[in-house]
Amino acid sequence: QSVLTQPPSLSATPGQNVTISCSGSSSNIGNHYVSWYQQLPGTPPKLLIYDNHERPSGIPDRFSGSKSGTSATLDITGLRTGDEADYYCATFDSSLSVGVFGGGTKLTVL
Amino acid sequence: QVQLVQSGAEVKRPGSSVRVSCKTSRDAFTRHTFHWVRQAPGRGLEYMGGVVPGYGKTSYAQKFQDTVTITADDSATTAYLEVKWLTSDDTAMYYCARGTYSNYFDSWGQGTLVTVSS
Repeated sequence: QSVLTQPPSLSATPGQNVTISCSGSSSNIGNHYVSWYQQLPGTPPKLLIYDNHERPSGIPDRFSGSKSGTSATLDITGLRTGDEADYYCATFDSSLSVGVFGGGTKLTVL
Repeated sequence: QVQLVQSGAEVKRPGSSVRVSCKTSRDAFTRHTFHWVRQAPGRGLEYMGGVVPGYGKTSYAQKFQDTVTITADDSATTAYLEVKWLTSDDTAMYYCARGTYSNYFDSWGQGTLVTVSS
């Protein structure tokens, strides 16, 4: 079982907006920055969001992140078929003293 | 563009060990941490542990504390993952990732597939 909880799957149609949630606790999300990763089939994960809401260069502003208390969300607007991927949240956990990942959300764009 | 280049795929027998390497440039190596994340077939990402080059300080997820060793060779600007006492459950893609000041992973290796089979 992952320390961070994400919905296993979501589906939407092109053009729609989706929100992926990531729930944790005070030992992880509540007191540490959250990052998000996109993993396209057969490829390594790619950094999408860091420090809760910052985007690396090259990541379109259709992707945005936020954090409130012990939960974080990744919003994707104007969905495209190329956004179909697995999405993971991650942070540091003070109790475990290591990084932790969410279980991942498989986004299907129909 | 930071590149992390990992060693090639491995096939190992149960009970044996495997060492995977992750090489990068001097500039990309300095002042960063390096981590290993594994992904079993059809499963999610699992954090294994990390190392602070130059200090040799390591941290491991509890699950891997007895079977995994992570090291860094500063002169070779390479991080290593060794997994001992392999079982079929260790069959997975192993990724190295560069860590940053606020614990996010800004660059990833291409992955190394380790298959454990008798």
